[in-house]
Amino acid sequence: DADVTQTPRNRITKTGKRIMLECSQTKGHDRMYWYRQDPGLGLRLIYYSFDVKDINKGEISDGYSVSRQAQAKFSLSLESAIPNQTALYFCATRIKDSGTNEQFFGPGTRLTVL
Amino acid sequence: GENVEQHPSTLSVQEGDSAVIKCTYSDSASNYFPWYKQELGKRPQLIIDIRSNVGEKKDQRIAVTLNKTAKHFSLHITETQPEDSAVYFCAATMSPFQKLVFGTGTRLLVSP
Repeated sequence: DADVTQTPRNRITKTGKRIMLECSQTKGHDRMYWYRQDPGLGLRLIYYSFDVKDINKGEISDGYSVSRQAQAKFSLSLESAIPNQTALYFCATRIKDSGTNEQFFGPGTRLTVL
Repeated sequence: GENVEQHPSTLSVQEGDSAVIKCTYSDSASNYFPWYKQELGKRPQLIIDIRSNVGEKKDQRIAVTLNKTAKHFSLHITETQPEDSAVYFCAATMSPFQKLVFGTGTRLLVSP
């Protein structure tokens, strides 16, 4: 689904570095989400945003921050990366008040923290 | 907190057999239950979903059943094919704001 894009696709960084993962969408959806995926743990919600002025913490927000720069852009930051933040990160979007709650995922960013 | 439990974590079947994956949820207010398929190295993609006012939904070889009283729902794949091999995630909407909570995933392997 090319309508939701993530950059970078892969990133290797060192402990203590600041990292930003970016998500952009052309679907016109107002709701955006950040998840991390770890083997055996499924997808866990980090942050979600219903519009530019509405940002909410998910179940694992500690160590992360987000910015909704525009309806189409939602960035995830790791202020000081640590090794246990090594994971696959997915952005997702959803349209508000549609007939479906379907979320559309980006291609993912594989982050490795050494 | 609210959660979704998914079983089994791995499932191996022969081509042509049926596969069943089960999930239970904890929030009685949950009203939307999607199933996502994630092929190796790819993003999760919705394959079927069901709302709380429906007990069963079918789409060709896949079906989902929901038992609201017991708070569990299941994915059924019939006549499995090697291309069904993937990780499958169930999810349920949870309060507040009906956000999705995912199960831990089932790795399905269909052998020819």
